[in-house]
Amino acid sequence: SQQGEEDPQALSIQEGENATMNCSYKTSINNLQWYRQNSGRGLVHLILIRSNEREKHSGRLRVTLDTSKKSSSLLITASRAADTASYFCATDAGNNRLAFGKGNQVVVIP
Amino acid sequence: EPEVTQTPSHQVTQMGQEVILRCVPISNHLYFYWYRQILGQKVEFLVSFYNNEISEKSEIFDDQFSVERPDGSNFTLKIRSTKLEDSAMYFCASSASIGQGGYTFGSGTRLTVV
Repeated sequence: SQQGEEDPQALSIQEGENATMNCSYKTSINNLQWYRQNSGRGLVHLILIRSNEREKHSGRLRVTLDTSKKSSSLLITASRAADTASYFCATDAGNNRLAFGKGNQVVVIP
Repeated sequence: EPEVTQTPSHQVTQMGQEVILRCVPISNHLYFYWYRQILGQKVEFLVSFYNNEISEKSEIFDDQFSVERPDGSNFTLKIRSTKLEDSAMYFCASSASIGQGGYTFGSGTRLTVV
């Protein structure tokens, strides 16, 4: 089954605005992680939220997790041009593998 | 900050040839992984490796694929007889534990099979 499905959005926002993207999944998880990928580059781990957590912050990032709805959101506040990238959620069901979503393309216009 | 290093960054190979993709995981990590991303598609799990053996593998990881940790630092993915559909970005990753922290990914090897 597919896990870690983001809303397949391409966001284009002005610098300084907030960017929100969502992710839904289908099975039980241990944690959910968000990664960033700049064009043609590797995946950079941004933040991990455990199944018993509801919200987590890291700098300008805020992640929420609703296990009853099997969904998560990533908010980037006060976006910068350098935030332009693809953002992926990935679920960890404790079986030693991550299941990635399709990714959200975010373009921040200076 | 510690990095996962992958070589080469780009490899072009003829269909049917064997390729070996190389990775140097973070030195104190115990779990190693290979993922791949076909252009424009999801990142897909291939295999995980712990304590010198495969701990999980996906349906993609068939008999054409193998992994090895030939020494204390390298972790390799071998594709015995490449097909056109093996063309993808291959990412190596490592983690210190399972389910406790994020994974550290390398920058990837872009494999092009012609």
